[in-house]
Amino acid sequence: DTGVSQDPRHKITKRGQNVTFRCDPISEHNRLYWYRQTLGQGPEFLTYFQNEAQLEKSRLLSDRFSAERPKGSFSTLEIQRTEQGDSAMYLCASSQRLGSAGELFFGEGSRLTVL
Amino acid sequence: QQQVKQSPQSLIVQKGGISIINCAYENTAFDYFPWYQQFPGKGPALLIAIRPDVSEKKEGRFTISFNKSAKQFSLHIMDSQPGDSATYFCAALRIGGYNKLIFGAGTRLAVHP
Repeated sequence: DTGVSQDPRHKITKRGQNVTFRCDPISEHNRLYWYRQTLGQGPEFLTYFQNEAQLEKSRLLSDRFSAERPKGSFSTLEIQRTEQGDSAMYLCASSQRLGSAGELFFGEGSRLTVL
Repeated sequence: QQQVKQSPQSLIVQKGGISIINCAYENTAFDYFPWYQQFPGKGPALLIAIRPDVSEKKEGRFTISFNKSAKQFSLHIMDSQPGDSATYFCAALRIGGYNKLIFGAGTRLAVHP
């Protein structure tokens, strides 16, 4: 499978615990995005990486959230001191270089449930 | 700030009918308008996209109509099939920036046999 892969697919945690999600983008894609999707809503942009550089962060990304993309390959999204409001599907997407049609390829998501 | 507004929230269509989903955008800097399709448990996948220099684009049973002056665009699914039952998202972005997609809230389509 050469698509975007995310792990774990589902995480249940207690409030106050830390969680980390991993995303492996399509290998030749240098752009990587994290989105959050809550029930009945469209995906909301969280953050964007071009290679290893984090170039944009949404105001939705509070200081409890941190994302990294070491060496411009896989990416991790960590949520510290989780709150019930963090329960959502966290989607990762990747795309090709600037000048492409703008298509984002999404993974199947990591669903977070905070009890 | 909701930059892309989508309607209806849900839609029921009989097999063979036409499904129509509408979107409106606010930012005139947007220059790429895709539609994504999402099945339960899956991530969104690109269905069809249009740029504002054309008024219509057709791919198989799927057509996007674009009205630049009204800042509106719509998805038409002809001869709707039960396999089309999914959630559809319109989106917009400005090419040349970070290709950051701004999504609508989604339309849950159910096609009844």
